[in-house]
Amino acid sequence: KAGVTQTPRYLIKTRGQQVTLSCSPISGHRSVSWYQQTPGQGLQFLFEYFSETQRNKGNFPGRFSGRQFSNSRSEMNVSTLELGDSALYLCASSQDRDYEQYFGPGTRLTVT
Amino acid sequence: QQQVKQSPQSLIVQKGGIPIINCAYENTAFDYFPWYQQFPGKGPALLIAIRPDVSEKKEGRFTISFNKSAKQFSLHIMDSQPGDSATYFCAASDHTDKLIFGTGTRLQVFP
Repeated sequence: KAGVTQTPRYLIKTRGQQVTLSCSPISGHRSVSWYQQTPGQGLQFLFEYFSETQRNKGNFPGRFSGRQFSNSRSEMNVSTLELGDSALYLCASSQDRDYEQYFGPGTRLTVT
Repeated sequence: QQQVKQSPQSLIVQKGGIPIINCAYENTAFDYFPWYQQFPGKGPALLIAIRPDVSEKKEGRFTISFNKSAKQFSLHIMDSQPGDSATYFCAASDHTDKLIFGTGTRLQVFP
């Protein structure tokens, strides 16, 4: 089976812009979670989608949003980018709760 | 109460040694404890996971020890190799897909 794929792999944006990141889960996986990884804060949970519905949300401002499509693919959007949003954004998929989560390679976002 | 505390921050061992990484948690609702391995420029890769109904789990050279009463769990890497040099993260969750991660341990294995 192909693993979790994320596009793009690298992105450079300017403060104030918005960005959309994409994630394709492992075939058959219906749950997609997003995490932010930074040197200072480590790995932090953003949100989780299952069957096109947000099922869980972390402690991030409303500028961070996401959605999931009927084929389980997911996108996350960050509006009004700030310098502090520079991070590795990771997507993970699983069959459902209580199943193993598998991570993609991440999208490296740099905000200048 | 949502934190997972991980130690040490970094670890240096020689080839063949047995590095041990420790994690502790407070939330008694946590019931799933995975370990991830991350190489530079890559996403975390699931190594091994345990649930509270067992005290130990082995997969290849990786072993998790779990102490429910102490709310602690640890990763042991047997016969460590230079290729094991990476950052290791423990994590925990409670019937959701929200993983709470430890701060990571950078392991270096020298030949």
